[in-house]
Order: sequence, then structure tokens, then C-alpha cells
Amino acid sequence: AQSVTQLDSHVSVSEGTPVLLRCNYSSSYSPSLFWYVQHPNKGLQLLLKYTSAATLVKGINGFEAEFKKSETSFHLTKPSAHMSDAAEYFCVVSRDSNYQLIWGAGTKLIIKP
Amino acid sequence: GAGVSQTPSNKVTEKGKYVELRCDPISGHTALYWYRQSLGQGPEFLIYFQGTGAADDSGLPNDRFFAVRPEGSVSTLKIQRTERGDSAVYLCASSPSGQFQETQYFGPGTRLLVL
Repeated sequence: AQSVTQLDSHVSVSEGTPVLLRCNYSSSYSPSLFWYVQHPNKGLQLLLKYTSAATLVKGINGFEAEFKKSETSFHLTKPSAHMSDAAEYFCVVSRDSNYQLIWGAGTKLIIKP
Repeated sequence: GAGVSQTPSNKVTEKGKYVELRCDPISGHTALYWYRQSLGQGPEFLIYFQGTGAADDSGLPNDRFFAVRPEGSVSTLKIQRTERGDSAVYLCASSPSGQFQETQYFGPGTRLLVL
């Protein structure tokens, strides 16, 4: 069985400081992992995905994530937060055999001026 | 270009009523997905269409829920005898062909409130 755990329900950082959103997964096989962002009243948008190529994945808006098999983690980072980054972020693992996505509970990112 | 659209954006109904939620996917996308997102949680898979057929409906919670995609484009999610527990945001997504690991493009959702 697969599962994904987002370790923080809320993360608050000051504008211009680094962002770290933590995600751990469990999977019997090599997983596909995704990060999605959801801005208020807008659709979910794919930030980046890991599909067993490079372990460091670069996404949109300056975000990146590193797949660490030994730690079963896929943490999302950004060097410098912008006010526009305030949103909810979801870590997602894809089932081995089909398209179904297993979603984390989400982390709400708050940016302080 | 046009993204995935969903109507209505909000729907308020009374317990026991029937509702229909519509999804218009990105033109040319053969794969279409429905999810339900309850407050404070991530989306939960409901059903996947490949073309006109439901390839996987294992996420539908019970037989009050049904979805169709008769012409392989627009899809309608139908909920009969609504219950207060059905209140949630219903999300639709589409992707070009439904291949494994393919990016899904989401609509803004329909917020359903059952009183």
C-alpha cells in the first residue's frame, strides 16, 4: 500500500526567507511523486514531478524538490519566498499500476511581510 | 488557451435533492478525472474516464453517485438523494491520454453545500 504524509499542516515564513515543506511517503515500489499548489478559489496546479529520472527536480516559480529514497522523503524547497507563494501545497504519490493519485492532507504556506 | 472549466462554481441544495455538476475538459484530452475534496483534506479520487467510458469508478462512495461522458468531452457528475456528508468541493481534471505519470490539469472546482 502507498501513503503520503505531509509533516506540517501550516508553515509560516517571512518574505525573502527560504521555504521548506516536508513530505514523506511509503511505497512498495519506486513511486512517482508530485507537488501541487492550490491558490484560493483556483484550480490545483502542478509544481513539479519526480518520475525516476534525476533525483533533484526543478519546478515552476523557483521551487524544487529532492527525492531521497533512503529517507523516503520528497521535501519541497524554495530559496526565497514571495508573497504570491501563499497557498496550500499538496504532496502526491502515484500508484504503481495506474493513474490514481494518493494525496497528502496539504500544507498551508503563510508568507509574512 | 482554455483550461478545465466547471459549473456551477457553487451549489447549495437541500438534503434529499438531486444535483448535477458539469466539467468541460481541455479540448482534445481523452482522459478525465473526478475528485472530491473535503475541508482540510487532499482530493480523493472518484472516477476516471477514458473517452466515453468509465475506465475506473472504484472511488465512487456508493450508488447515489454516477458520472457520464457521452461524447467523450463534457462530463457530468450526478448525485442522487444528497446527504449532508456529500458537502465538499468536487474537482475535475483532464489529461491528454491518461498515460501513467501524465500531468493532470485541474478545474477550479464546484463547491457543494447540502443543507
